[in-house]
Amino acid sequence: EADIYQTPRYLVIGTGKKITLECSQTMGHDKMYWYQQDPGMELHLIHYSYGVNSTEKGDLSSESTVSRIRTEHFPLTLESARPSHTSQYLCASSEGRYNSPLHFGNGTRLTVT
Amino acid sequence: GQQVMQIPQYQHVQEGEDFTTYCNSSTTLSNIQWYKQRPGGHPVFLIQLVKSGEVKKQKRLTFQFGEAKKNSSLHITATQTTDVGTYFCAGQGGNTDKLIFGTGTRLQVFP
Repeated sequence: EADIYQTPRYLVIGTGKKITLECSQTMGHDKMYWYQQDPGMELHLIHYSYGVNSTEKGDLSSESTVSRIRTEHFPLTLESARPSHTSQYLCASSEGRYNSPLHFGNGTRLTVT
Repeated sequence: GQQVMQIPQYQHVQEGEDFTTYCNSSTTLSNIQWYKQRPGGHPVFLIQLVKSGEVKKQKRLTFQFGEAKKNSSLHITATQTTDVGTYFCAGQGGNTDKLIFGTGTRLQVFP
């Protein structure tokens, strides 16, 4: 089983608050990803990283930002949460080779009131 | 941009019936991966197909990659309640190495 951890598991927060979703993996994977998924819907890539100090925006525009200072850590930050940010955020990692499968964390279910 | 569509969006079956989901890409893929997401869970990798026309089996699950490497299918024989979940295909290819997830097929199995 993959060792990738996300905290918190659930978060309810008021509009305007700054939040950081944590994601850590212990597999030494070079590539890490953030996906946004509404319940029962498709996954949308919002950020990815191919290694330390590498971050790219995904296919879905997002007001969040990410950083990759250490290989194992890929936090996602929302400076000012809004109700439209309510969703599930899934972190994933994979080895560096081209067609490596993704290992997902359990996700953070965010509700912005 | 590259799109990956799946049909059907939903499928309800009686336990013991077969189930198939189809995955179609707008561009030629270098490989395709399949994931299963249980209700309330996260996607879990099932298998990867790389070769044109490739067929792989995992117990009651049969995965196929099309000859043109633009489509794929997942067939489950004699479904069980443990098969409940959403099945996603994910393709890689074209002018990007990003994995593009399909729209998913949600399977419900009634006992």
